[in-house]
Amino acid sequence: GDSVTQMQGQVTLSEDDFLFINCTYSTTWYPTLFWYVQYPGEGPQLLLKVTTANNKGISRGFEATYDKRTTSFHLQKASVQESDSAVYYCVLGEGFASALTFGSGTKVIVLP
Amino acid sequence: EAAVTQSPRSKVAVTGGKVTLSCHQTNNHDYMYWYRQDTGHGLRLIHYSYVADSTEKGDIPDGYKASRPSQENFSLILELASLSQTAVYFCASSEQLGRQNTLYFGAGTRLSVL
Repeated sequence: GDSVTQMQGQVTLSEDDFLFINCTYSTTWYPTLFWYVQYPGEGPQLLLKVTTANNKGISRGFEATYDKRTTSFHLQKASVQESDSAVYYCVLGEGFASALTFGSGTKVIVLP
Repeated sequence: EAAVTQSPRSKVAVTGGKVTLSCHQTNNHDYMYWYRQDTGHGLRLIHYSYVADSTEKGDIPDGYKASRPSQENFSLILELASLSQTAVYFCASSEQLGRQNTLYFGAGTRLSVL
């Protein structure tokens, strides 16, 4: 079946460090891939979306790129701040009549 | 501003008791969802609905019922709460189903079953 895998359960960084989170997916469709971010005490919110048409998305200093050949989808940010501490979810959108599939999430801790 | 509001924000329930979690949206969206969040599992879909008076099963519907009395309201019902249902529950809405759509989430309900 369709699935999303995030191997990194937690990442701890210092301010101004480079952030890289990887995700792999499995689907028979041409997917749309999302990164959702969840700040403490809040529900998840959309960070960015990438479709097969553009392969890359940029939002709030984050950049996401997906590779159809390796079915991977990664999120990166050049210089993180303490305010980026959150849980980041890789999310797969498949057909036109299917709900989104969430990965297990990567908790990012940025130390001041 | 569009919003999804969940109540209560937290609840303690006893094993075998009935629990109702409520969700209200002002997004004017047709689709509403209930997700469960557990450490290590991310968010898993329990039930969803695309129109009032109709609900659909998600990936983990066992032990849960859902009710959509109106476009704005969507409830999750645990008829016989169990310890394994201790989790954070999120309600969400979207304009349509499928891969192009953004989900708008509420702030969550933390449920503890003792």
